[in-house]
Amino acid sequence: GENVEQHPSTLSVQEGDSAVIKCTYSDSASNYFPWYKQELGKGPQLIIDIRSNVGEKKDQRIAVTLNKTAKHFSLHITETQPEDSAVYFCAARGGFKTIFGAGTRLFVKA
Amino acid sequence: SAVISQKPSRDICQRGTSLTIQCQVDSQVTMMFWYRQQPGQSLTLIATANQGSEATYESGFVIDKFPISRPNLTFSTLTVSNMSPEDSSIYLCSHWTGETQYFGPGTRLLVL
Repeated sequence: GENVEQHPSTLSVQEGDSAVIKCTYSDSASNYFPWYKQELGKGPQLIIDIRSNVGEKKDQRIAVTLNKTAKHFSLHITETQPEDSAVYFCAARGGFKTIFGAGTRLFVKA
Repeated sequence: SAVISQKPSRDICQRGTSLTIQCQVDSQVTMMFWYRQQPGQSLTLIATANQGSEATYESGFVIDKFPISRPNLTFSTLTVSNMSPEDSSIYLCSHWTGETQYFGPGTRLLVL
């Protein structure tokens, strides 16, 4: 069946450094790729998304890139801050189904 | 986006009992979704709840174990029946507005 692979499972960076999380999807019909941030004790919050007709999207310190040919997309966080520490999930949606990655636990050390 | 609230936010239950989780959305939505997030894991869709019809369950989830109600366009409940420790998870309700999916804060369930 369809799946989304996400790497790494854990990422530790120094404050101010960049963090990159990568996802690969299998369903070529996927056309919408959201990223969610889940802080401790909260539900996932959408932080950025990209659609299949766009290669890159940026919102302040976060950006997402999409390579449809290779079926992978990435989240880039620049100038990381301690409050960026959370679990990040990628997802791929095609039709009526959203498949989530396994999550990346990001630690930003002050 | 519609705001989603869930009750209870957390609970500790004894095995063999049942717990009903409530989800309230502050505007009318056509479909609501229930997810399970086991400790340290990703989100798994349990079922889709439409108002006025029976919920549609994903593979591995059955109505007898996870009965769902959807009495109107702003409210849904998920019951976790005859609980066992394996049911210890975060349960999340969700809806879509346009192409954006929103989640509630989750209900943290621990079954002893």
